Amino acid sequence: QVVVTQESSVTVSPGGTVTLTCGCSSGPVTDRHYPYWLQQRPGQGPRTLIYDTYKKQSWSPARFSGSLLGDKAALTLSNAQPEDEGDYHCLLSFPNSPNSWWVFGGGTKLTVL
Amino acid sequence: EVQLVESGGTLVKTGESLRLSCRASGFTVNDAWVSWVRRPPGKGLEWIGRIRTKPYGATTEYTVPVKGRFSISLDESNNIFYLQMNNLKTDDTAMYYCGKEGSEGPFWGQGTLVTVSS
Repeated sequence: QVVVTQESSVTVSPGGTVTLTCGCSSGPVTDRHYPYWLQQRPGQGPRTLIYDTYKKQSWSPARFSGSLLGDKAALTLSNAQPEDEGDYHCLLSFPNSPNSWWVFGGGTKLTVL
Repeated sequence: EVQLVESGGTLVKTGESLRLSCRASGFTVNDAWVSWVRRPPGKGLEWIGRIRTKPYGATTEYTVPVKGRFSISLDESNNIFYLQMNNLKTDDTAMYYCGKEGSEGPFWGQGTLVTVSS
């Protein structure tokens, strides 16, 4: 079973920049994993911020960007705002896997402080 | 506007069954891919499975921990996707979300809570 890894928690100062990463136990994360980043605030459902590595949904704030960084997918937040606090989930696709097509990372709790 | 509203979550005992509903609007349900995911308390999200509707072969697939116990279906006439859960275990306690997959990434509902007690 593939394991997707994320930082468990990260803190950023208001106005600061932070990068969250997403790794994979089976090897480098590539654009063929179609990396997604989901934001989830307390008490709310998840919402997709980034899909296909770097593409944004219409509601995705411009301060969020997605990329590949070395062997990992990355979500960079610039000019962090208090409303950016929450959990960030990385999602990778494994269409040839016999066990699971989609695999989530454990999530990163982002604190803006 | 795409909307997904989950319902049906409740408290059940181990070994019991439960069916969750995902009422869809704003898109053509019989031409969609829809996934179910869950988030156990204190943990991250877990993908459960997906349904590809008729134009895509009317197939379903599931992650290993739920294969054989959970099934996903579609009631086209009422625009509802279902998650049938059988032989529930305490590890199935979680918020359950449905999500419509699309060319612009998945869109998710607000979830429904399932609690399984022993």
